[in-house]
Amino acid sequence: DQQVKQNSPSLSVQEGRISILNCDYTNSMFDYFLWYKKYPAEGPTFLISISSIKDKNEDGRFTVFLNKSAKHLSLHIVPSQPGDSAVYFCAAPLRTLKLTFGTGTRLQVTL
Amino acid sequence: GAGVSQSPSNKVTEKGKDVELRCDPISGHTALYWYRQSLGQGLEFLIYFQGNSAPDKSGLPSDRFSAERTGGSVSTLTIQRTQQEDSAVYLCASSLARQGANTEAFFGQGTRLTVV
Repeated sequence: DQQVKQNSPSLSVQEGRISILNCDYTNSMFDYFLWYKKYPAEGPTFLISISSIKDKNEDGRFTVFLNKSAKHLSLHIVPSQPGDSAVYFCAAPLRTLKLTFGTGTRLQVTL
Repeated sequence: GAGVSQSPSNKVTEKGKDVELRCDPISGHTALYWYRQSLGQGLEFLIYFQGNSAPDKSGLPSDRFSAERTGGSVSTLTIQRTQQEDSAVYLCASSLARQGANTEAFFGQGTRLTVV
């Protein structure tokens, strides 16, 4: 049962434009969400998070939006840069604190 | 160390042999995770440790896979009688995992396992 879903396996965006990566979840018990970024041959690194008491969290070029009623969150990157090309995973911890990850979206930022 | 350390970074083994993968988590982190990423796939959860116990082993794909953690620190993932479908990058992560606190997990660089 995939409780955290990323339905777009890949996304291509032109440099300078906005990248929007989406994530849906099914478990209404999730109350905290994280985004990770992964370059080839490296482990994922934490990018940004959001608590369910908020609907938006911003950190520089990265903003995460949470729509609890739709069980949907999205990561916006503005402006997109070539160095942002990576695989992005959303994740949420269960009460056991085990992180459940989505399948990832590969972002390619083109010149 | 400063981060999560995994060894070896690369392992090539013959089909049918056993392999052991090691993870040194960040000091003080009580939670430890093993994931794997097969070529072109997302992160697949394998097992989660809280201290030395594993409350969730649901992701281990078969009884050829086992993991242990000793002293609340180092963990080893063992794959017996390796098969070609076991080829993947095996990632370890650790976190503080304090109850009621929302802390992120930190990942190691991974071990790339190739079964030939």
